[in-house]
Amino acid sequence: NAGVTQTPKFQVLKTGQSMTLQCAQDMNHNSMYWYRQDPGMGLRLIYYSASEGTTDKGEVPNGYNVSRLNKREFSLRLESAAPSQTSVYFCASSVTHWIYEQYFGPGTRLTVT
Amino acid sequence: ELKVEQNPLFLSMQEGKNYTIYCNYSTTSDRLYWYRQDPGKSLESLFVLLSNGAVKQEGRLMASLDTKARLSTLHITAAVHDLSATYFCAVDAHTGTASKLTFGTGTRLQVTL
Repeated sequence: NAGVTQTPKFQVLKTGQSMTLQCAQDMNHNSMYWYRQDPGMGLRLIYYSASEGTTDKGEVPNGYNVSRLNKREFSLRLESAAPSQTSVYFCASSVTHWIYEQYFGPGTRLTVT
Repeated sequence: ELKVEQNPLFLSMQEGKNYTIYCNYSTTSDRLYWYRQDPGKSLESLFVLLSNGAVKQEGRLMASLDTKARLSTLHITAAVHDLSATYFCAVDAHTGTASKLTFGTGTRLQVTL
């Protein structure tokens, strides 16, 4: 099993450009999440999807949109990138029962100039 | 709003010494997770604590949870260099169908010879 995979690993954008970060999991998990991590800080939740067909805002959703394409895939879109969105983005997935332990992907390092 | 505080933020310790990292949180939760992150890498799950009084141990690390005090501790026994990493606690404000993690800012642990 690959677990949680993310593409791309690195990306440089100019201000105003758009892009989509892709995430897929092969663990048959119902719930998926997007986080951002800024230097010297913990992760902050951007959006999550409790199950296929549902999405909800997290702590820092402004400037982002998400799509739960199917049970395996959850994408994050930046419509008009800003320098404040320079960060490392992590995708995670979990089961939806008592433990809810989240498993994280390798991350995407995004720089907006 | 759930707030999670870790201390210390940085810890330099000698090999062989013991130390404790503290994680305090502001609202009721009975689920807390500890993660490890190496530089430039993703998060690795260390412990899942699901109830008051829960104690988990793995090697030189032991984690505990006191939900009444809203406090978790990560105790390091006889530190070795391989434990050098950043450690995060994350508290779950679960929705019933998905977990919503709020992370602490992390404790960067440096173990010196």
